[in-house]
Amino acid sequence: EDQVTQSPEALRLQEGESSSLNCSYTVSGLRGLFWYRQDPGKGPEFLFTLYSAGEEKEKERLKATLTKKESFLHITAPKPEDSATYLCAVQARTPLVFGKGTRLSVIA
Amino acid sequence: DTAVSQTPKYLVTQMGNDKSIKCEQNLGHDTMYWYKQDSKKFLKIMFSYNNKELIINETVPNRFSPKSPDKAHLNLHINSLELGDSAVYFCASSQDPGHINNSPLHFGNGTRLTVT
Repeated sequence: EDQVTQSPEALRLQEGESSSLNCSYTVSGLRGLFWYRQDPGKGPEFLFTLYSAGEEKEKERLKATLTKKESFLHITAPKPEDSATYLCAVQARTPLVFGKGTRLSVIA
Repeated sequence: DTAVSQTPKYLVTQMGNDKSIKCEQNLGHDTMYWYKQDSKKFLKIMFSYNNKELIINETVPNRFSPKSPDKAHLNLHINSLELGDSAVYFCASSQDPGHINNSPLHFGNGTRLTVT
């Protein structure tokens, strides 16, 4: 059975304090790994897709990386507006499997 | 312009009632989904339709019945509501089924269903 585990469940950072979120996965035949951002009361918003080990994608203060067993979402010099829940999801066979997310709080 | 819109945003009802949630997307996507997010924030797929045809039905009770009148709409009807149905229901769409081209999902803002 495909599994996605995200850690930590919650992370509290000071503004400017860089850190990383982890997404470990166990799937048969990974086709893609997705990162989404979810704000309170909103639906998840697509950030990145990673397809193969070694791939990296960047968007503003976020950088996502992928290995054969896990993905990291690095947040560089975060700002309060980066506070949200970050969800990881894997696409192998249908359907898409989501992790439970990491709730990030960035304090000014 | 809202890409994926669902109504209502909040739905409070009693056990045993029947209710519907509507979803519309204006992205021109071929595939639409219903996801359930429970109290632990775990997001799990319920149904997927591609060009009005059901392609995914994930062990959801028969009380849940999706209907897709056209490519841009996917509604969810729930019969005989139970306490355990309380959750946030998200509609989503993608260009094509994710298992074909890894198309990312575009989500609506959810419908919070509370069954009392």
